[in-house]
Amino acid sequence: DAGVIQSPRHEVTEMGQEVTLRCKPISGHDYLFWYRQTMMRGLELLIYFNNNVPIDDSGMPEDRFSAKMPNASFSTLKIQPSEPRDSAVYFCASSLTGGLSALNYGYTFGSGTRLTVV
Amino acid sequence: KNQVEQSPQSLIILEGKNCTLQCNYTVSPFSNLRWYKQDTGRGPVSLTIMTFSENTKSNGRYTATLDADTKQSSLHITASQLSDSASYICVVTHGSSNTGKLIFGQGTTLQVKP
Repeated sequence: DAGVIQSPRHEVTEMGQEVTLRCKPISGHDYLFWYRQTMMRGLELLIYFNNNVPIDDSGMPEDRFSAKMPNASFSTLKIQPSEPRDSAVYFCASSLTGGLSALNYGYTFGSGTRLTVV
Repeated sequence: KNQVEQSPQSLIILEGKNCTLQCNYTVSPFSNLRWYKQDTGRGPVSLTIMTFSENTKSNGRYTATLDADTKQSSLHITASQLSDSASYICVVTHGSSNTGKLIFGQGTTLQVKP
């Protein structure tokens, strides 16, 4: 398995532009998570899905952020309009539920998208 | 408030030496605690996962301990190697193991020098 795949790896955009980050979870995983990591705040959960349905989006900072999961193999995180304070590394992670399965395998993170808004 | 505190914030050791990283948490209810290693420019990778009933778990040269009574965990690295240079993040699951939220520590940055 190729693991959790994120694209692009790096994104530089101007303030006010729309940014779309993409994630392909591990096949068969039914939970998908979007995280943001900054030096100041560390890793923060933004939103997570179970079976393609958003379960908890309380971590989404503002209405400028939106996430979708149209099918089990793809999710997007969109920022519109982007601002310099959105600059961070955005991680996608997936996990497999099932009691011990989730405990044993834990979460698998992608390599992240480094976003810079200038 | 559910929090995970790690110490030290950063650490420099010589190759071949041992070191211990600390994690204190105030998360309740708690189902499990994980240690992750994050190399620069990469996503976190799981090293160990322990439930509240486990005291210790090893993964090669990494040994994690857990004291659920005092809500403390440690990660011991034996015979450090240059490749151990990374950030080590302590993560506690708040709630059930399947659906609970992960509470992340700020991490300890370890640098191993030759």
